Amino acid sequence: GAVVSQHPSWVICKSGTSVKIECRSLDFQATTMFWYRQFPKQSLMLMATSNEGSKATYEQGVEKDKFLINHASLTLSTLTVTSAHPEDSSFYICSASLTGRYSGNTIYFGEGSWLTVV
Amino acid sequence: KQEVTQIPAALSVPEGENLVLNCSFTDSAIYNLQWFRQDPGKGLTSLLLIQSSQREQTSGRLNASLDKSSGRSTLYIAASQPGDSATYLCAVQYGNKLVFGAGTILRVKS
Repeated sequence: GAVVSQHPSWVICKSGTSVKIECRSLDFQATTMFWYRQFPKQSLMLMATSNEGSKATYEQGVEKDKFLINHASLTLSTLTVTSAHPEDSSFYICSASLTGRYSGNTIYFGEGSWLTVV
Repeated sequence: KQEVTQIPAALSVPEGENLVLNCSFTDSAIYNLQWFRQDPGKGLTSLLLIQSSQREQTSGRLNASLDKSSGRSTLYIAASQPGDSATYLCAVQYGNKLVFGAGTILRVKS
């Protein structure tokens, strides 16, 4: 089946620095990828929709200048948390949409990335 | 606005009990509905996916039903085990976007 790989799984960074998280579709081309965030004991909230070759669409309340999303190829989307602060500590997870004649419209999730800002 | 609500928020049961987790959604124009399991500090594990045209799906001790007209889904877990302890998330797919419920934290006591 389709696989989405996310890296790194865990990252600790200092306050004020930037950290990049990668999301790759390993065996299919994903024209659309999604980034979610999950705070402790809360559900996953969609942050943005990333379309290959175009600007990401951010959900209301998500700062686009703080959470930079790049979808430069059909198999890779990156999320960069800029000038990270402790309140950005969260679980970030990506998903990729596979749309096809036989696959329908199926969404596959990465393993997620735990970010801790100290 | 598309919202997904899960009840109860938390559930604690003795081992062996059958239990039901509930999920409701406000917009019935769904593509599919999926139940996930999330263990502490881990990612998502897909349990069952029900297409909008289907009424239920079964996998082992799990059975998920879907009533699109009433905007409801239930996840039935038979003969619960301590290993079933986790957070269960209901997610409704609209187009290619998923809207998640807040989850039900399940604890099965041995």
